[in-house]
Amino acid sequence: QKEVEQNSGPLSVPEGAIASLNCTYSDRGSQSFFWYRQYSGKSPELIMFIYSNGDKEDGRFTAQLNKASQYVSLLIRDSQPSDSATYLCAVNMDSNYQLIWGAGTKLIIKP
Amino acid sequence: NAGVTQTPKFQVLKTGQSMTLQCAQDMNHNSMYWYRQDPGMGLRLIYYSASEGTTDKGEVPNGYNVSRLNKREFSLRLESAAPSQTSVYFCASRKGTVTDTQYFGPGTRLTVL
Repeated sequence: QKEVEQNSGPLSVPEGAIASLNCTYSDRGSQSFFWYRQYSGKSPELIMFIYSNGDKEDGRFTAQLNKASQYVSLLIRDSQPSDSATYLCAVNMDSNYQLIWGAGTKLIIKP
Repeated sequence: NAGVTQTPKFQVLKTGQSMTLQCAQDMNHNSMYWYRQDPGMGLRLIYYSASEGTTDKGEVPNGYNVSRLNKREFSLRLESAAPSQTSVYFCASRKGTVTDTQYFGPGTRLTVL
C-alpha cells in the first residue's frame, strides 16, 4: 500500500514564527514531491515542488527532502495570518501518472 | 488562459438520479484527473486519463464512469447517485511527466439526498 502520512493538526504558530510541516512516504523509489496549499472552500494550489535531496527555497518557503529517511518537509518563515490553510503533501511514487496525497495538515497562524 | 474549468459549481441530486460533471483545460496538458475530497480527508483519485484516448481507474472508481472526449475535456458521470457520493469533486490536469505540477479546477460541490 503506497501511503503518504501527515499530521492532521491543527498546528498553531504565532505570527512571525517559523511553521514546520512534515510528510513521510512509504515508497523508497518516489521521484517527485509537491506541497499544495488549500484554503477552506477552495481548490489546492501549488506552493513548491522538489525532486532532489536537500533544501529548495522560494521566498518565505523552504522545502526539504530526505530520501534516505523518506520524509519531506515545508518550512514557512515569518508566518502570516494569510498562511492559515491546509497544506497537502503529494508524492509521485513511480513512473505512472498518479500522485499519492496525504490528508493534509491544518495550519493556524495566530496574530 | 482560463486554466482548468469545471461545471457546475454546485449540484443537489436525489438518490438514483444521474448527472455528468464537466471539466476542460486550455493548457494543452496530456493528463487529466478526477478526485473527490471529503471533509477532513485528502484527495482520493477516482479516474485519470494519462493521454487522449486512455482512461484508468484510481483508488475509488465504483459508481463512476469517465469519458476523455478530446485532449481538452474529461467528464465524470454518476449513473445512479448515492448519498455516499456527497463530496467535493476536483478536476486536475498535468502536462504529463512525473516532474510536472497538477493544476486544479475550482471544484463541484455535490450533495446527494
